[in-house]
Amino acid sequence: GQQLNQSPQSMFIQEGEDVSMNCTSSSIFNTWLWYKQDPGEGPVLLIALYKAGELTSNGRLTAQFGITRKDSFLNISASIPSDVGIYFCAGDMEYGNKLVFGAGTILRVKS
Amino acid sequence: NAGVMQNPRHLVRRRGQEARLRCSPMKGHSHVYWYRQLPEEGLKFMVYLQKENIIDESGMPKERFSAEFPKEGPSILRIQQVVRGDSAAYFCASSPQGRGTEAFFGQGTRLTVV
Repeated sequence: GQQLNQSPQSMFIQEGEDVSMNCTSSSIFNTWLWYKQDPGEGPVLLIALYKAGELTSNGRLTAQFGITRKDSFLNISASIPSDVGIYFCAGDMEYGNKLVFGAGTILRVKS
Repeated sequence: NAGVMQNPRHLVRRRGQEARLRCSPMKGHSHVYWYRQLPEEGLKFMVYLQKENIIDESGMPKERFSAEFPKEGPSILRIQQVVRGDSAAYFCASSPQGRGTEAFFGQGTRLTVV
């Protein structure tokens, strides 16, 4: 089946540092999404990207949809303790009804 | 405006029992999606339903699993004769139209099979 390779698997950073994570695939995606999941909760959408090359920001978060449509990255600037959680990329291949998720990046922030 | 409501939040079942997971979509949403998340993995699509119809069940295991979304009431994911490998978090999402990219997720049901 379709797979998204998400890296890094985990990060342990100092408060105030910038964070970067990315997803790649061998398949083309029409939409890229980035979610955050807190322990015991469901995923919450952070950023949605709909066009190749698109760069979108949401506060301290910035994400880009790769030109080849096979990759995306998420940057978090000036991390704070509440950024702790698991970040997932997800893609939609068919303008349709199901998403393919990466395995997640666990972010830990040291204050 | 309440979000997607799932219950129970936690469910413990013995091997061989049945598990019923419920999902009430957001108000005005008639499209429901179920995903499963195994420990330390991403979510995996299971099934997409509209009211009274299963649209895409390509991610559903062939046996023991079924889903419905009746005209009235919540969507139900049913797992018969549970096994330890069914232990996971099950998430429901809903959208106003059939775009999975516009779906909101519930808090999930954590199923533990003992």
